[in-house]
Amino acid sequence: GQQVMQIPQYQHVQEGEDFTTYCNSSTTLSNIQWYKQRPGGHPVFLIQLVKSGEVKKQKRLTFQFGEAKKNSSLHITATQTTDVGTYFCAGPEYGGATNKLIFGTGTLLAVQP
Amino acid sequence: DSGVTQTPKHLITATGQRVTLRCSPRSGDLSVYWYQQSLDQGLQFLIQYYNGEERAKGNILERFSAQQFPDLHSELNLSSLELGDSALYFCASSVGTTSYSDTQYFGPGTRLTVL
Repeated sequence: GQQVMQIPQYQHVQEGEDFTTYCNSSTTLSNIQWYKQRPGGHPVFLIQLVKSGEVKKQKRLTFQFGEAKKNSSLHITATQTTDVGTYFCAGPEYGGATNKLIFGTGTLLAVQP
Repeated sequence: DSGVTQTPKHLITATGQRVTLRCSPRSGDLSVYWYQQSLDQGLQFLIQYYNGEERAKGNILERFSAQQFPDLHSELNLSSLELGDSALYFCASSVGTTSYSDTQYFGPGTRLTVL
């Protein structure tokens, strides 16, 4: 079945360092969404990318959608302790009309002050 | 606050028991999704309802069932509980249009502990 993998599974950085998580889908995606889950919290929608090669920025966060629409990345510049959490990418089920999202395996980011 | 509510927040029960988790979607959302998240695990999709009807099924055990009521709230029933069912259960809702760009809004979750 359709799979969405993320690497790394876990990353520990010093505050101020950059961080990148990569998302790879086994199938082409019509769009990709990113969610953040703080420790003890629930996933919160961050952004959606739709176009091939699309790049969007939210302050220190930069999101990219690959040209083939099978991969995506999230880059955080100069991490802060508030960036701690698990970042999930998610894409619609291939060929489905159910709005069901396939979530990636997630990347847990730890930031040391 | 996402606008999605879930009750109860915490639930502690014994093996073999049955529990019901409740979710109220955001106002106007027709789709409800249920996810299971075990410790240090990702989000496992269980089931989706749209306007009262089951729309998609994931890795949901036969001991688990769900429904969505006319007022659009949803319940997830877990029966014959086992230790391994201990997890965080999230409900999410979305508008539920036929487009593929449906953002999901998650509730705060119900933490289930089976002893």
